[in-house]
Amino acid sequence: DQQVKQNSPSLSVQEGRISILNCDYTNSMFDYFLWYKKYPAEGPTFLISISSIKDKNEDGRFTVFLNKSAKHLSLHIVPSQPGDSAVYFCAAAAGGTSYGKLTFGQGTILTVHP
Amino acid sequence: NAGVTQTPKFQVLKTGQSMTLQCAQDMNHEYMSWYRQDPGMGLRLIHYSVGAGITDQGEVPNGYNVSRSTTEDFPLRLLSAAPSQTSVYFCASSFSGDFWTGELFFGEGSRLTVL
Repeated sequence: DQQVKQNSPSLSVQEGRISILNCDYTNSMFDYFLWYKKYPAEGPTFLISISSIKDKNEDGRFTVFLNKSAKHLSLHIVPSQPGDSAVYFCAAAAGGTSYGKLTFGQGTILTVHP
Repeated sequence: NAGVTQTPKFQVLKTGQSMTLQCAQDMNHEYMSWYRQDPGMGLRLIHYSVGAGITDQGEVPNGYNVSRSTTEDFPLRLLSAAPSQTSVYFCASSFSGDFWTGELFFGEGSRLTVL
């Protein structure tokens, strides 16, 4: 039972355009959400997070939106750059968690074309 | 500052062999964990630890053992390797309690093939 789902295995975008990566979750106990980026032969690196008390969080070109009623979050990258090409994982943590026990989605491969 | 260090980076085993994947962190993190990454499955939690002497099972613990005798080290033991354990393994650590920011720090991964 996949509690965090990324239904798009891949996404292809032109440089300068917006990239939108989506993630759905089923567990109502999740109240903290994160996005990680992974390059080949490297470990994932933290990108941005959002608490369930917010519906939007921005960090430079990256914005995460949370729709609690729909149990859906999305990552927007504007403008997209070729260096953004990587696998993106969304992850969730359950209520009351005070450490990094995360549930991950399957990942979406983003390719940004010059 | 090394961060999270995993060894070995690559390993080939025969079915039934045992081995230990090593993980060490130098950030004084209380929380450490092991994930495996398989195609189409994302990262799945194997075991985790919230401090020295404390470990617990994650989503896919069968066939693996862990122990945490120090804050720095969190080895993952494969007791009797099976082809289903062919995967890329990631060790991760983070702050915990009041210092938890949500960010996990990952090692570079260990690619294991079981023949």
